[in-house]
Amino acid sequence: DTAVSQTPKYLVTQMGNDKSIKCEQNLGHDTMYWYKQDSKKFLKIMFSYNNKELIINETVPNRFSPKSPDKAHLNLHINSLELGDSAVYFCASSQGSYSNQPQHFGDGTRLSIL
Amino acid sequence: DQQVKQNSPSLSVQEGRISILNCDYTNSMFDYFLWYKKYPAEGPTFLISISSIKDKNEDGRFTVFLNKSAKHLSLHIVPSQPGDSAVYFCAARAGGYQKVTFGTGTKLQVIP
Repeated sequence: DTAVSQTPKYLVTQMGNDKSIKCEQNLGHDTMYWYKQDSKKFLKIMFSYNNKELIINETVPNRFSPKSPDKAHLNLHINSLELGDSAVYFCASSQGSYSNQPQHFGDGTRLSIL
Repeated sequence: DQQVKQNSPSLSVQEGRISILNCDYTNSMFDYFLWYKKYPAEGPTFLISISSIKDKNEDGRFTVFLNKSAKHLSLHIVPSQPGDSAVYFCAARAGGYQKVTFGTGTKLQVIP
């Protein structure tokens, strides 16, 4: 009955590979997000989708491609992985892209590039 | 350019005492502020928030104070408990838009 769930929890892979991280929320929210927490613990937004529509797209390399098949899912695909992609990636969701409702986070996916 | 700053990376407090976590921001467009708490290997969880039209919001042991002129907010935890030991993130957003800017966090340790 986890509210926001991400898979996998850990991902270890080699440079140059392509990988995907999946996120699902069962809160009935209409907005989902991807954040990256780097080695300095800085949590920064990457993308946001509202009802399957991209509404936030920060300065992220185009190797990162989010996909939202429905409003309960937001997946992140990363092509040609680089060492600098090593980080913890958090998925989050909220009700409304313009609201004071707080965001609910998943437990993160720790991505390590060898 | 870091618009939300938490200048104390860590803080240790005795159980039962007050914990005060500080946060400064630079963007005057921010009008809603949040505190999140994060345990290891878990995602951040929402703790308390405050709108810029207020200067104080209280929820049980947690109180957030906002000083708009100083662009400063603080989170007070009274009394502190060992279960409060976690990383606390200050966050802010502007105009109701859900693009949230986070600080780098303060690790609180409450010593029994």
